[in-house]
Amino acid sequence: EAQVTQNPRYLITVTGKKLTVTCSQNMNHEYMSWYRQDPGLGLRQIYYSMNVEVTDKGDVPEGYKVSRKEKRNFPLILESPSPNQTSLYFCASSGDRIFSPLHFGNGTRLTVT
Amino acid sequence: KNEVEQSPQNLTAQEGEFITINCSYSVGISALHWLQQHPGGGIVSLFMLSSGKKKHGRLIATINIQEKHSSLHITASHPRDSAVYICAAPTGNQFYFGTGTSLTVIP
Repeated sequence: EAQVTQNPRYLITVTGKKLTVTCSQNMNHEYMSWYRQDPGLGLRQIYYSMNVEVTDKGDVPEGYKVSRKEKRNFPLILESPSPNQTSLYFCASSGDRIFSPLHFGNGTRLTVT
Repeated sequence: KNEVEQSPQNLTAQEGEFITINCSYSVGISALHWLQQHPGGGIVSLFMLSSGKKKHGRLIATINIQEKHSSLHITASHPRDSAVYICAAPTGNQFYFGTGTSLTVIP
């Protein structure tokens, strides 16, 4: 089954404790991206990747890192999480970001205390 | 400044009603996406369209690229259509999203 697998679904952590949210797709998609969703603000792009070893910042990259060492995986790293990073996070992939559908993971609800 | 604007923000309808959600954008795009987010949180892609109209079951999406406007219509609405509908505009290498329209269909 074609899917984007994102883990964990829920994560509660404390300020400053490094964490990684994993994202993996099995559709051989070149384009992968991370978003955060906040009430009243909608989805905002954090980082995206056009292919292996090619990543770039979206609208809200501060406090986040990503890597794309393999085509299927695109982890999101928070090296020193802060409470303002409490949010709902989504990973997505697409064969062609403009003319093909976006496939989303199930989301990760992160709480930083 | 929002590159993508949706209206209305909230919508309540009786079962069977015809529903229209609007999306306007200021960025130059070649295509626009409509997404659906159910109360459980998962997001699925409904449509990608670059011109004219697309239909999938009771859902119809239209776009006028020159006027920078798209609409999503739901015919014969049903309670299972209750969800948040989001339009997304890919420009350059990024996506810009509307803040969503929360639809509630009452039996």
